[in-house]
Amino acid sequence: QVQLQESGPGLVKPSETLSLTCTVSGGSISSDYWSWIRQPPGKGLEWIGYIYNSGGSTNYNPSLKSRVTISVDTSKTQFSLELSSVTAADTAVYYCARGVWDGFHGKFEDWGQGVLVTVSS
Amino acid sequence: SSELTQPPSVSVSPGQTASITCSGERLRNKYVCWYQQKPGQSPVLVIYQDDKRPSGIPERFSGSNSGNTATLTISGTQSMDEADYYCQEWDSSTAYVLFGGGTKLTVL
Repeated sequence: QVQLQESGPGLVKPSETLSLTCTVSGGSISSDYWSWIRQPPGKGLEWIGYIYNSGGSTNYNPSLKSRVTISVDTSKTQFSLELSSVTAADTAVYYCARGVWDGFHGKFEDWGQGVLVTVSS
Repeated sequence: SSELTQPPSVSVSPGQTASITCSGERLRNKYVCWYQQKPGQSPVLVIYQDDKRPSGIPERFSGSNSGNTATLTISGTQSMDEADYYCQEWDSSTAYVLFGGGTKLTVL
């Protein structure tokens, strides 16, 4: 079973860029869909985006696309999230997850423990 | 519409059957997953591809998808099943991922 662990600052100032890293162990990062999903306090899950094809391709939630960048470092089996121009509405627990999708059937089999990021001055 | 609609809450007595629905346009042409999330924990996949259970998930969890509604059914509900449940689809045309708003299951 693949294990994922998020890391990064727990506090970000408004208008700055949120940066998180997910370290993957127990598996290769060259396949599957490496994803970021967030959950504002007391609210539901929101898909942010994913990277796949050994980092050659990405797909982002249209509502966040203008502010999101997901990248991968295969040598370190890590992938990262950058979310720019953050506001208080971006305060959430951020999860990284391993997605499996064959074009018809998709699922998130493994999740990190999540990291709370608060946007505040 | 690109939304998945779930009831905010469902209540069930121990030992009874709980049903949680997920409605969405054209859902009949898509495959649905379900996740269980307990307070302070990460989501756990309990159903994928409409009706398949990952290894380690109890048999009392089952799923179905008919018409524009997918349903998660928990038979013989136990107190340990009290949690939030989320449906999820992965759109085959856009490759976007969509989650339902979540349902809080209370075992009274």
